[in-house]
Amino acid sequence: EAGVTQFPSHSVIEKGQTVTLRCDPISGHDNLYWYRRVMGKEIKFLLHFVKESKQDESGMPNNRFLAERTGGTYSTLKVQPAELEDSGVYFCASSRGQGRRPEAFFGQGTRLTVV
Amino acid sequence: ELKVEQNPLFLSMQEGKNYTIYCNYSTTSDRLYWYRQDPGKSLESLFVLLSNGAVKQEGRLMASLDTKARLSTLHITAAVHDLSATYFCAVFTFYGGATNKLIFGTGTLLAVQP
Repeated sequence: EAGVTQFPSHSVIEKGQTVTLRCDPISGHDNLYWYRRVMGKEIKFLLHFVKESKQDESGMPNNRFLAERTGGTYSTLKVQPAELEDSGVYFCASSRGQGRRPEAFFGQGTRLTVV
Repeated sequence: ELKVEQNPLFLSMQEGKNYTIYCNYSTTSDRLYWYRQDPGKSLESLFVLLSNGAVKQEGRLMASLDTKARLSTLHITAAVHDLSATYFCAVFTFYGGATNKLIFGTGTLLAVQP
């Protein structure tokens, strides 16, 4: 069974540009999460999808971040326009259905550097 | 708001030595995870601790949970170089079918020196 995969693994962009990160969850997993780790700090929750619906987006930093999960399969996280403080590692995780505290499986992360 | 504090942030230790990483959290939770991350790799789940007094061991790593003290420890016995990685604790928050998510500590970068 394929794990959670993220693309790209690294991205270097200039301030003001747009970047789109992609996450392919494990097949059949309804829950999809985005997290971010800024240099040296904790991994912070960004948002949670259940299928194609946003269940919780309380961790999204501001309106420059837009997450989508069309059709309830893969998800994209777009940053537009990118700022220097957006640099960090963005992790995606997926898990099975609700209600039983399912274990989340993580992707390898996308390292975003804004210069 | 649930907060998770992990220390130390960085740990350099010699092979063969023992050490403990600490994880404190601020509110009640019924599930605590320890993860390992190697550079450029995904977070690998090491242990999940579900109840007060839970202790789990895998090789040279042993994790324990004290829910009354809101403290978990990850003990490393006779460290070897292969254990070098970043270790995270994470507490699961669950709101009865609504949102659920992991709250992570800052991570401990472990470097085992020969």
